[in-house]
Amino acid sequence: DGGITQSPKYLFRKEGQNVTLSCEQNLNHDAMYWYRQDPGQGLRLIYYSQIVNDFQKGDIAEGYSVSREKKESFPLTVTSAQKNPTAFYLCASSPGQRTPQHFGDGTRLSIL
Amino acid sequence: SQQGEEDPQALSIQEGENATMNCSYKTSINNLQWYRQNSGRGLVHLILIRSNEREKHSGRLRVTLDTSKKSSSLLITASRAADTASYFCATDLIAGGTSYGKLTFGQGTILTVHP
Repeated sequence: DGGITQSPKYLFRKEGQNVTLSCEQNLNHDAMYWYRQDPGQGLRLIYYSQIVNDFQKGDIAEGYSVSREKKESFPLTVTSAQKNPTAFYLCASSPGQRTPQHFGDGTRLSIL
Repeated sequence: SQQGEEDPQALSIQEGENATMNCSYKTSINNLQWYRQNSGRGLVHLILIRSNEREKHSGRLRVTLDTSKKSSSLLITASRAADTASYFCATDLIAGGTSYGKLTFGQGTILTVHP
């Protein structure tokens, strides 16, 4: 079945540590997105990529970095510069602009 | 700031009743989408309505869009316990005549359907 796979499901970060969240899709979608969701809140866009080797900052990009070397993969690194990283991170993809997005089941990041 | 404001924040109903959720937004849109999220899971797309459409149906779902009032509503008819979830509206904004294809999400409505 086609879909989006996020791993790990749970992740713990120590102070000063960078961690990388994985997102892989086999839907052959051009566009991919990373969102952050805090408890009781909606989703906020961190980064998005409309094509391989290109990505743009979203609304809350500070303290995060991404790469898009392959169409299928869009990993997100939460750097030590992100002072409040505890949240639920969701990856999504879509065939292109103005189309529905398909979501993975998220990674919950906590601080040790 | 959030583009979409949803109302109510929480809704509790009995099985078989209808559930109505509202979403308001501030700027011009290309389309508006509704998503569902079960606890601890990713979002699932429910329905997309374009700015030139006024109403759309999908099974027990009915979505309306009033661009003059910058508002949308999602109606779930004959609700079931399995409909218990959070529901989000998301807008595809137009800025300077261009749709960027990014979605801006509201804060969601938590729907609880009691058996």
